[in-house]
Amino acid sequence: RKEVEQDPGPFNVPEGATVAFNCTYSNSASQSFFWYRQDCRKEPKLLMSVYSSGNEDGRFTAQLNRASQYISLLIRDSKLSDSATYLCVVNRKGYSTLTFGKGTMLLVSP
Amino acid sequence: DAGVIQSPRHEVTEMGQEVTLRCKPISGHDYLFWYRQTMMRGLELLIYFNNNVPIDDSGMPEDRFSAKMPNASFSTLKIQPSEPRDSAVYFCASSPARDRGYNEQFFGPGTRLTVL
Repeated sequence: RKEVEQDPGPFNVPEGATVAFNCTYSNSASQSFFWYRQDCRKEPKLLMSVYSSGNEDGRFTAQLNRASQYISLLIRDSKLSDSATYLCVVNRKGYSTLTFGKGTMLLVSP
Repeated sequence: DAGVIQSPRHEVTEMGQEVTLRCKPISGHDYLFWYRQTMMRGLELLIYFNNNVPIDDSGMPEDRFSAKMPNASFSTLKIQPSEPRDSAVYFCASSPARDRGYNEQFFGPGTRLTVL
């Protein structure tokens, strides 16, 4: 079983739609969780961290369910500029490294 | 501020040739990571350094790959000899010192390698 699993998509949504991605992780020792965004032919960039209590940043909401070992990202009022691949990322306690999922592609159309 | 700098941005070479990828991390960052990204395997960690010292190279695919960090502002990833299956995008990333928690990794623009 892969350490971080995501639905590759693509998710095709119209502008203004709400879309949600899930990600599961296998290692219960995972401590920190993140969503990175990667535009086509660009480098990954941190979108937001994911906190146990859930957190929101504008149109983006991230949630963590430790019992079920999954992380979610909700995007409200999708914009064309949200089209990208969203990478789920986990960090194991005591480790300096990150483990990346293969990403979920989002395509927002007019 | 300058981000992570990588060169070259694109490299096309023939099988058997030596390839050297270069990275300049963000000044003041203690950690440097080399990743490889392909459609099939996603983003894979190859090796990382802390204060110029290699800490974990278990992700390096085989002896044809080597990495060095001679000083805090420069690192290289070398493939010798290169093979077509090495074709991928190679990213370098850096992060500041880890305190009690985790610190964000900042990625360079990547080197797109094609081995013919």
